[in-house]
Amino acid sequence: AQKVTQAQTEISVVEKEDVTLDCVYETRDTTYYLFWYKQPPSGELVFLIRRNSFDEQNEISGRYSWNFQKSTSSFNFTITASQVVDSAVYFCALRSYGNKLVFGAGTILRVKS
Amino acid sequence: DSGVTQTPKHLITATGQRVTLRCSPRSGDLSVYWYQQSLDQGLQFLIQYYNGEERAKGNILERFSAQQFPDLHSELNLSSLELGDSALYFCASSADTDTQYFGPGTRLTVL
Repeated sequence: AQKVTQAQTEISVVEKEDVTLDCVYETRDTTYYLFWYKQPPSGELVFLIRRNSFDEQNEISGRYSWNFQKSTSSFNFTITASQVVDSAVYFCALRSYGNKLVFGAGTILRVKS
Repeated sequence: DSGVTQTPKHLITATGQRVTLRCSPRSGDLSVYWYQQSLDQGLQFLIQYYNGEERAKGNILERFSAQQFPDLHSELNLSSLELGDSALYFCASSADTDTQYFGPGTRLTVL
């Protein structure tokens, strides 16, 4: 069975703090893809990153970085120097067998000024 | 802007009614997916079409059906609506197994 767990339901930080959103996944497949999506208050789902199971290199994109560790089945997302505009719900998702995405429950991030 | 369009943005209807949600995928994408987002179930995969053919099915109710037309747009039909069907319905598209890009969603309210 495929499963994604985002244990943090809600996180509140003050602007400029760093924040890490945790994601733990379960799959029996050796080939799979992991994703992060952002859902701002306006409601749309915005694609942030895709990672395949054979590429464990960490990735940095501006203030965003992702840490993929197969040994712990985790794909964590860090925002450095958070800003109010980062306030959103963040979803981690898994795609292995088949094309459907299995989503975690999401983490609400509130960044206060 | 993901390039995926969905209409209408909001829909308010009564129990027992039928509605149709429409989705146009990104240019060139052959796959269309439908997802439901509700408070109790989270984001759930409903169904996928690829170039007009149904490819995968998730937890889609029998009262719900979908199709993809030759121009690749897709429609999700919801019938005999119940209060519990109130949710945000997303369409996504991809170039086959590539990243799925989501539309802005249709918020359905069943009264």
